[in-house]
Amino acid sequence: KAGVTQTPRYLIKTRGQQVTLSCSPISGHRSVSWYQQTPGQGLQFLFEYFSETQRNKGNFPGRFSGRQFSNSRSEMNVSTLELGDSALYLCASSLVPGDNTGELFFGEGSRLTVL
Amino acid sequence: AQSVAQPEDQVNVAEGNPLTVKCTYSVSGNPYLFWYVQYPNRGLQFLLKYITGDNLVKGSYGFEAEFNKSQTSFHLKKPSALVSDSALYFCAVRDRGNNRLAFGKGNQVVVIP
Repeated sequence: KAGVTQTPRYLIKTRGQQVTLSCSPISGHRSVSWYQQTPGQGLQFLFEYFSETQRNKGNFPGRFSGRQFSNSRSEMNVSTLELGDSALYLCASSLVPGDNTGELFFGEGSRLTVL
Repeated sequence: AQSVAQPEDQVNVAEGNPLTVKCTYSVSGNPYLFWYVQYPNRGLQFLLKYITGDNLVKGSYGFEAEFNKSQTSFHLKKPSALVSDSALYFCAVRDRGNNRLAFGKGNQVVVIP
């Protein structure tokens, strides 16, 4: 079956703009998490959604937001972009939060460059 | 707070030699531990996990990892490295009951032909 799909794969924005990234989880998976990957900070947890509700949130400013739709697809939004927001944004899905199998399945990521 | 540490930035190994990537963890309670691999400009691929049971866990592509509770370690191993194993390897720990993963900084593995 299809894996986690993230769109767009690459995008370039300028400071002050906003961006929306999309994630379609594996069919049947209801939990979606987002991570930011940068060379300096590594992989950092942004937030997790399940049943259209945010369950956990990482230590990021309010400019970072997300949502989940009834079909489990998720979007994240970053407003008022800063240079430091340049990163690979990874989405991961799993059946349910804390399910017994444990592993998350990651998409290929959306690489955001802020100029 | 849960955390993992990967003490080495880069691991160099000759093709055919054993490969070890080190990871230590800090959690309250029993841990869920994972290893992921990332190739350039790609997402993370799951290699293996420890949830409970045998301390030696076997995973994808010939990799295995040994869970050591007394040393709070979960080192990744492969008996004979391939050039195609050159990639970035991440150790991660997860709370039971949620999907929040805490990742180590990653180890760049370079397998020399």
